[in-house]
Amino acid sequence: AQSVAQPEDQVNVAEGNPLTVKCTYSVSGNPYLFWYVQYPNRGLQFLLKYITGDNLVKGSYGFEAEFNKSQTSFHLKKPSALVSDSALYFCAVSYLNTNAGKSTFGDGTTLTVKP
Amino acid sequence: GAGVSQSPSNKVTEKGKDVELRCDPISGHTALYWYRQRLGQGLEFLIYFQGNSAPDKSGLPSDRFSAERTGESVSTLTIQRTQQEDSAVYLCASSSYGGAALTDTQYFGPGTRLTVL
Repeated sequence: AQSVAQPEDQVNVAEGNPLTVKCTYSVSGNPYLFWYVQYPNRGLQFLLKYITGDNLVKGSYGFEAEFNKSQTSFHLKKPSALVSDSALYFCAVSYLNTNAGKSTFGDGTTLTVKP
Repeated sequence: GAGVSQSPSNKVTEKGKDVELRCDPISGHTALYWYRQRLGQGLEFLIYFQGNSAPDKSGLPSDRFSAERTGESVSTLTIQRTQQEDSAVYLCASSSYGGAALTDTQYFGPGTRLTVL
């Protein structure tokens, strides 16, 4: 079984401040972890993924995420937030023993960056 | 095309009617997924197609839901006898199967917003 949790429905930060969007997961094997972003009135876009290797993954638009196996977390971070980062962010997890292609998505976190 | 396209973008229907939603994946992508996103909720996996393999239908919520895909191209999601709880955004995604679909990046379409009155 697999599950993913995004404990915060909403995250508010001021422009220029660092941002963190949290994600924790539960799988029975090695996880594959993804972050997607959904801008208003647009489809989901891929940001970054962790498959193996370095725990710190860098992705699009200056975002990065750190895989922490001991804490079963994959928090999304950005050193300096932009107003244009305001969107809905989804964390997703899959692992080797699932049916191919089936990822479990979190319920999403709405990020609001204020000028 | 450059990305995944879906049609219609919006669909309003009456309870009990059947609807068909269409997805055009990125050319060359062998894997195709359908998801449902209810208001304020995450993505709910519905069905997965990979090449000529039997589709993974494990996420379909009832026998009123079905999907087809012709080869590695267009897919249609059909909902029969629609109910109000079917109201949601239906998202399609495709990916280039790299031999381990679990690690493939999915590219999403803009979705079809279905409203059942």
